[in-house]
Amino acid sequence: GQQVMQIPQYQHVQEGEDFTTYCNSSTTLSNIQWYKQRPGGHPVFLIQLVKSGEVKKQKRLTFQFGEAKKNSSLHITATQTTDVGTYFCAGRYGGSQGNLIFGKGTKLSVKP
Amino acid sequence: GAGVSQSPRYKVAKRGQDVALRCDPISGHVSLFWYQQALGQGPEFLTYFQNEAQLDKSGLPSDRFFAERPEGSVSTLKIQRTQQEDSAVYLCASSSTGTSGYNEQFFGPGTRLTVL
Repeated sequence: GQQVMQIPQYQHVQEGEDFTTYCNSSTTLSNIQWYKQRPGGHPVFLIQLVKSGEVKKQKRLTFQFGEAKKNSSLHITATQTTDVGTYFCAGRYGGSQGNLIFGKGTKLSVKP
Repeated sequence: GAGVSQSPRYKVAKRGQDVALRCDPISGHVSLFWYQQALGQGPEFLTYFQNEAQLDKSGLPSDRFFAERPEGSVSTLKIQRTQQEDSAVYLCASSSTGTSGYNEQFFGPGTRLTVL
């Protein structure tokens, strides 16, 4: 079935270092969303990307959607301890009726 | 309400028992989703409602799983004859759009089900 692969599974960084997580799909996505889940919490929506090659920024977070709409990335500049959590991408296939397929997530830990 | 609420927050069941998990979506949200999240994994789609209509139940793992949303607001996920592999966090999410979610999904805190 359709799968969204996400790497790395874990990332440990020193506070102030950058962090990137990547998502890949073997088939074209109609759009992709990113969520953050804090330890013990529930997923919280960060952003949605729809257009080929789209780049969106939220303060220190930069989200990209590939030209072929098969991959996406989330980059955090100068990580802070508040960035700790698991970041999930969630892709949608097949237009408006496609359901979200979540990646396995990248768990980020930040050493102060 | 202020957000999506779920009850109970924790449920321990003996193998073979039936359980019912409740979700109260954000008032006025048309779309409602159920996900299953195993430890260390991403949420896996179970089923989707648009108002009271169950438009997609392709993710339900077996016929022991049943979901309903009879009045288009509160939803219940029922698991019959629970098995140990059913142990997971069950997340409910709602969305304001009528499609299966071009807009963001708002997640509830989840119900952690443990089957002994």
